[in-house]
Amino acid sequence: QKEVEQNSGPLSVPEGAIASLNCTYSDRGSQSFFWYRQYSGKSPELIMSIYSNGDKEDGRFTAQLNKASQYVSLLIRDSQPSDSATYLCAVTNNAGNMLTFGGGTRLMVKP
Amino acid sequence: NAGVMQNPRHLVRRRGQEARLRCSPMKGHSHVYWYRQLPEEGLKFMVYLQKENIIDESGMPKERFSAEFPKEGPSILRIQQVVRGDSAAYFCASSPAGGRGGAFFGQGTRLTVV
Repeated sequence: QKEVEQNSGPLSVPEGAIASLNCTYSDRGSQSFFWYRQYSGKSPELIMSIYSNGDKEDGRFTAQLNKASQYVSLLIRDSQPSDSATYLCAVTNNAGNMLTFGGGTRLMVKP
Repeated sequence: NAGVMQNPRHLVRRRGQEARLRCSPMKGHSHVYWYRQLPEEGLKFMVYLQKENIIDESGMPKERFSAEFPKEGPSILRIQQVVRGDSAAYFCASSPAGGRGGAFFGQGTRLTVV
């Protein structure tokens, strides 16, 4: 299995701040990149996808991809306590037919 | 408009019994992943299947665990002779061929071995 690495956290940010979540991957040929959110006791939910270098914005969320550095990140602006969850990065392999998940970063947004 | 369906949602088994977990993928999805998650831990990959074929089972314990995805019907994760350490949440996710668009998760099966 190819490696997808995330800092396990917890990452603690105050309400209203920007939360920055990072992910690195080892398969240089990876094609598709995803962020999932998992609340405690629930199943992971797909929240963002990105396929080309640069930024992709969706509301308070911005995904950033740098294929040369093999790095993908998720920024959450104006963080809310309801954003407190574990965020999982997932990457497809070179053939584009299999997803590999990172271990997840636990985010805590404090009121 | 059914998403990924897993059943049962909760399963209690005594040590030594067999557990069968079912996963019906989203309509149009031909690939299924199985993951295990212990309390307060991350997702652990177990197996990746397409219909009638196991693509990657590198995360599957060598003994007691097996998975299948037949041409017709749901994918099945089977655990024989369960032990207390098998107690966990088991999640299934499905994706279309190629993986583009990501994978979508079911609600999970919580297995408790008593």
